[in-house]
Amino acid sequence: AQSVTQPDIHITVSEGASLELRCNYSYGATPYLFWYVQSPGQGLQLLLKYFSGDTLVQGIKGFEAEFKRSQSSFNLRKPSVHWSDAAEYFCAVGNNAGNMLTFGGGTRLMVKP
Amino acid sequence: DADVTQTPRNRITKTGKRIMLECSQTKGHDRMYWYRQDPGLGLRLIYYSFDVKDINKGEISDGYSVSRQAQAKFSLSLESAIPNQTALYFCATSGGGSGQGHEQFFGPGTRLTVL
Repeated sequence: AQSVTQPDIHITVSEGASLELRCNYSYGATPYLFWYVQSPGQGLQLLLKYFSGDTLVQGIKGFEAEFKRSQSSFNLRKPSVHWSDAAEYFCAVGNNAGNMLTFGGGTRLMVKP
Repeated sequence: DADVTQTPRNRITKTGKRIMLECSQTKGHDRMYWYRQDPGLGLRLIYYSFDVKDINKGEISDGYSVSRQAQAKFSLSLESAIPNQTALYFCATSGGGSGQGHEQFFGPGTRLTVL
Protein backbone atom coordinates (compact mmCIF):
# COMPACT_ATOMS: atom_id res chain seq x y z
CA ALA A 1 0.00 0.00 0.00
CA GLN A 2 1.19 3.48 -0.74
CA SER A 3 1.36 6.21 1.87
CA VAL A 4 2.58 9.77 2.34
CA THR A 5 3.83 11.47 5.47
CA GLN A 6 4.14 15.19 5.94
CA PRO A 7 5.87 15.49 9.30
CA ASP A 8 5.15 19.18 9.85
CA ILE A 9 1.52 20.07 10.52
CA HIS A 10 2.22 23.79 10.86
CA ILE A 11 5.16 25.92 9.75
CA THR A 12 5.65 29.64 10.25
CA VAL A 13 8.26 31.57 8.30
CA SER A 14 9.02 35.25 7.88
CA GLU A 15 8.33 36.89 4.57
CA GLY A 16 11.45 36.73 2.43
CA ALA A 17 12.86 33.71 4.23
CA SER A 18 13.46 30.39 2.54
CA LEU A 19 11.04 27.50 2.88
CA GLU A 20 11.28 23.73 2.84
CA LEU A 21 8.26 21.49 3.35
CA ARG A 22 8.98 17.85 3.93
CA CYS A 23 7.31 14.89 2.28
CA ASN A 24 8.13 11.21 2.66
CA TYR A 25 6.36 8.53 0.68
CA SER A 26 6.08 4.78 0.62
CA TYR A 27 5.53 3.03 -2.70
CA GLY A 28 7.02 -0.13 -4.14
CA ALA A 29 7.82 1.16 -7.60
CA THR A 30 8.86 4.44 -9.17
CA PRO A 31 6.23 6.87 -7.92
CA TYR A 32 4.33 9.68 -9.51
CA LEU A 33 4.70 12.58 -7.06
CA PHE A 34 2.75 15.79 -6.73
CA TRP A 35 2.57 18.91 -4.63
CA TYR A 36 -0.76 20.75 -4.42
CA VAL A 37 -1.60 24.01 -2.68
CA GLN A 38 -4.94 24.91 -1.15
CA SER A 39 -5.59 28.55 -0.37
CA PRO A 40 -8.31 29.33 2.18
CA GLY A 41 -11.73 28.49 0.78
CA GLN A 42 -10.27 27.25 -2.48
CA GLY A 43 -9.79 23.96 -4.24
CA LEU A 44 -6.44 22.31 -4.87
CA GLN A 45 -4.01 23.77 -7.37
CA LEU A 46 -1.13 21.74 -8.73
CA LEU A 47 2.26 23.29 -7.94
CA LEU A 48 4.49 20.70 -9.57
CA LYS A 49 4.84 17.03 -10.40
CA TYR A 50 7.47 14.37 -10.88
CA PHE A 51 6.99 11.48 -13.27
CA SER A 52 10.50 10.62 -14.41
CA GLY A 53 13.76 12.16 -15.54
CA ASP A 54 15.41 15.10 -13.81
CA THR A 55 14.94 14.74 -10.08
CA LEU A 56 14.75 18.49 -9.52
CA VAL A 57 11.45 19.77 -10.82
CA GLN A 58 10.31 23.34 -11.19
CA GLY A 59 6.77 24.43 -10.58
CA ILE A 60 4.60 27.49 -10.56
CA LYS A 61 4.97 30.46 -8.22
CA GLY A 62 8.72 29.91 -7.82
CA PHE A 63 8.46 26.52 -6.14
CA GLU A 64 10.71 23.54 -6.78
CA ALA A 65 10.94 20.03 -5.40
CA GLU A 66 13.61 17.37 -5.42
CA PHE A 67 12.92 13.65 -5.69
CA LYS A 68 15.38 11.60 -3.64
CA ARG A 69 14.77 7.92 -4.17
CA SER A 70 17.26 6.84 -1.49
CA GLN A 71 15.40 8.85 1.11
CA SER A 72 11.88 8.28 -0.28
CA SER A 73 11.42 12.02 -0.13
CA PHE A 74 10.00 14.76 -2.31
CA ASN A 75 10.57 18.00 -0.40
CA LEU A 76 9.15 21.29 -1.61
CA ARG A 77 11.31 24.43 -1.53
CA LYS A 78 11.08 28.11 -2.23
CA PRO A 79 14.02 30.51 -1.82
CA SER A 80 11.98 33.53 -0.72
CA VAL A 81 8.46 33.27 0.65
CA HIS A 82 5.79 35.85 -0.07
CA TRP A 83 2.80 36.62 2.15
CA SER A 84 0.53 35.22 -0.56
CA ASP A 85 2.13 31.79 -0.10
CA ALA A 86 0.24 31.30 3.17
CA ALA A 87 -1.88 28.23 2.50
CA GLU A 88 -2.06 24.51 3.10
CA TYR A 89 0.26 22.31 1.08
CA PHE A 90 -0.35 18.68 0.22
CA CYS A 91 2.09 16.11 -1.06
CA ALA A 92 0.61 13.15 -2.96
CA VAL A 93 1.83 9.93 -4.52
CA GLY A 94 0.14 8.24 -7.45
CA ASN A 95 0.30 4.58 -8.40
CA ASN A 96 1.20 3.30 -11.84
CA ALA A 97 -2.38 2.37 -12.67
CA GLY A 98 -3.47 5.95 -12.23
CA ASN A 99 -6.41 5.01 -10.05
CA MET A 100 -5.02 5.97 -6.68
CA LEU A 101 -3.68 9.30 -5.51
CA THR A 102 -2.73 9.14 -1.85
CA PHE A 103 -2.33 12.40 0.03
CA GLY A 104 -0.36 13.36 3.07
CA GLY A 105 -2.08 15.10 5.94
CA GLY A 106 -0.99 18.53 4.76
CA THR A 107 1.25 21.29 6.10
CA ARG A 108 -0.26 24.64 6.93
CA LEU A 109 2.12 27.49 6.15
CA MET A 110 1.84 30.83 7.89
CA VAL A 111 3.93 33.81 6.77
CA LYS A 112 4.95 36.51 9.22
CA PRO A 113 5.35 40.06 7.90
CA ASP B 1 -15.16 29.14 -16.92
CA ALA B 2 -14.05 26.50 -14.45
CA ASP B 3 -13.13 23.11 -15.93
CA VAL B 4 -14.47 21.14 -12.95
CA THR B 5 -17.55 22.43 -11.18
CA GLN B 6 -19.30 21.20 -8.07
CA THR B 7 -22.78 21.91 -6.78
CA PRO B 8 -23.75 22.88 -4.21
CA ARG B 9 -20.73 24.71 -2.78
CA ASN B 10 -22.13 24.61 0.73
CA ARG B 11 -24.82 22.43 2.25
CA ILE B 12 -26.21 21.98 5.74
CA THR B 13 -28.42 18.98 6.31
CA LYS B 14 -29.78 16.88 9.13
CA THR B 15 -28.96 13.37 10.25
CA GLY B 16 -30.82 10.77 8.22
CA LYS B 17 -31.42 12.94 5.18
CA ARG B 18 -30.43 11.88 1.68
CA ILE B 19 -28.13 14.25 -0.11
CA MET B 20 -26.49 14.36 -3.50
CA LEU B 21 -23.37 16.24 -4.51
CA GLU B 22 -22.84 16.84 -8.18
CA CYS B 23 -19.73 17.24 -10.30
CA SER B 24 -19.42 18.29 -13.91
CA GLN B 25 -16.34 18.70 -16.06
CA THR B 26 -15.55 20.21 -19.43
CA LYS B 27 -12.04 18.80 -19.70
CA GLY B 28 -13.13 15.81 -21.76
CA HIS B 29 -11.52 13.45 -19.26
CA ASP B 30 -12.65 9.87 -18.85
CA ARG B 31 -11.60 9.46 -15.24
CA MET B 32 -13.40 11.06 -12.32
CA TYR B 33 -12.91 10.83 -8.57
CA TRP B 34 -14.57 11.80 -5.30
CA TYR B 35 -12.52 12.65 -2.21
CA ARG B 36 -13.29 13.92 1.24
CA GLN B 37 -10.99 16.20 3.20
CA ASP B 38 -10.77 16.18 6.99
CA PRO B 39 -8.35 18.29 9.04
CA GLY B 40 -5.04 16.52 9.53
CA LEU B 41 -6.01 13.61 7.29
CA GLY B 42 -5.51 15.18 3.89
CA LEU B 43 -7.79 13.92 1.13
CA ARG B 44 -9.11 10.36 1.07
CA LEU B 45 -10.57 8.64 -1.96
CA ILE B 46 -14.24 7.65 -1.75
CA TYR B 47 -15.00 6.37 -5.26
CA TYR B 48 -13.54 6.59 -8.72
CA SER B 49 -14.73 5.92 -12.24
CA PHE B 50 -12.62 5.30 -15.31
CA ASP B 51 -15.57 5.53 -17.71
CA VAL B 52 -19.36 5.58 -17.68
CA LYS B 53 -19.62 1.83 -17.08
CA ASP B 54 -16.79 1.58 -14.59
CA ILE B 55 -17.29 2.40 -10.89
CA ASN B 56 -14.84 1.45 -8.17
CA LYS B 57 -14.70 1.82 -4.42
CA GLY B 58 -11.92 3.83 -2.89
CA GLU B 59 -10.45 3.86 0.57
CA ILE B 60 -13.58 5.02 2.44
CA SER B 61 -16.70 4.13 0.44
CA ASP B 62 -18.96 2.96 3.30
CA GLY B 63 -22.02 5.20 3.61
CA TYR B 64 -21.60 6.62 0.11
CA SER B 65 -22.76 5.75 -3.39
CA VAL B 66 -22.01 7.27 -6.79
CA SER B 67 -23.53 7.56 -10.21
CA ARG B 68 -21.74 8.29 -13.48
CA GLN B 69 -24.53 9.73 -15.58
CA ALA B 70 -22.32 10.69 -18.49
CA GLN B 71 -18.66 11.15 -19.27
CA ALA B 72 -18.87 14.66 -17.89
CA LYS B 73 -20.99 14.03 -14.79
CA PHE B 74 -20.24 12.12 -11.61
CA SER B 75 -22.44 12.49 -8.53
CA LEU B 76 -21.92 11.39 -4.95
CA SER B 77 -24.83 10.43 -2.71
CA LEU B 78 -25.17 10.04 1.01
CA GLU B 79 -28.24 7.86 1.46
CA SER B 80 -28.64 8.62 5.13
CA ALA B 81 -26.30 11.35 6.28
CA ILE B 82 -24.59 11.15 9.66
CA PRO B 83 -22.60 13.81 11.54
CA ASN B 84 -19.20 12.20 10.91
CA GLN B 85 -19.75 12.75 7.21
CA THR B 86 -19.31 16.45 7.84
CA ALA B 87 -16.33 17.32 5.65
CA LEU B 88 -15.11 19.11 2.55
CA TYR B 89 -15.77 17.04 -0.57
CA PHE B 90 -13.76 17.33 -3.76
CA CYS B 91 -14.37 16.03 -7.23
CA ALA B 92 -11.38 15.49 -9.53
CA THR B 93 -10.72 14.36 -13.09
CA SER B 94 -7.79 12.95 -15.00
CA GLY B 95 -7.11 12.04 -18.56
CA GLY B 96 -5.78 8.57 -17.90
CA GLY B 97 -2.94 6.82 -19.63
CA SER B 98 0.61 7.03 -18.37
CA GLY B 99 2.69 9.98 -17.22
CA GLN B 100 0.79 13.23 -17.67
CA GLY B 101 -2.47 11.31 -17.54
CA HIS B 102 -2.00 10.72 -13.85
CA GLU B 103 -2.38 14.39 -13.02
CA GLN B 104 -5.70 15.11 -11.36
CA PHE B 105 -7.62 18.37 -11.66
CA PHE B 106 -9.82 19.38 -8.76
CA GLY B 107 -13.11 21.18 -8.41
CA PRO B 108 -13.62 23.96 -5.85
CA GLY B 109 -15.11 21.65 -3.22
CA THR B 110 -18.43 21.27 -1.42
CA ARG B 111 -18.57 21.97 2.28
CA LEU B 112 -21.11 19.61 3.84
CA THR B 113 -22.33 19.91 7.40
CA VAL B 114 -24.53 17.19 8.90
CA LEU B 115 -26.29 18.24 12.08
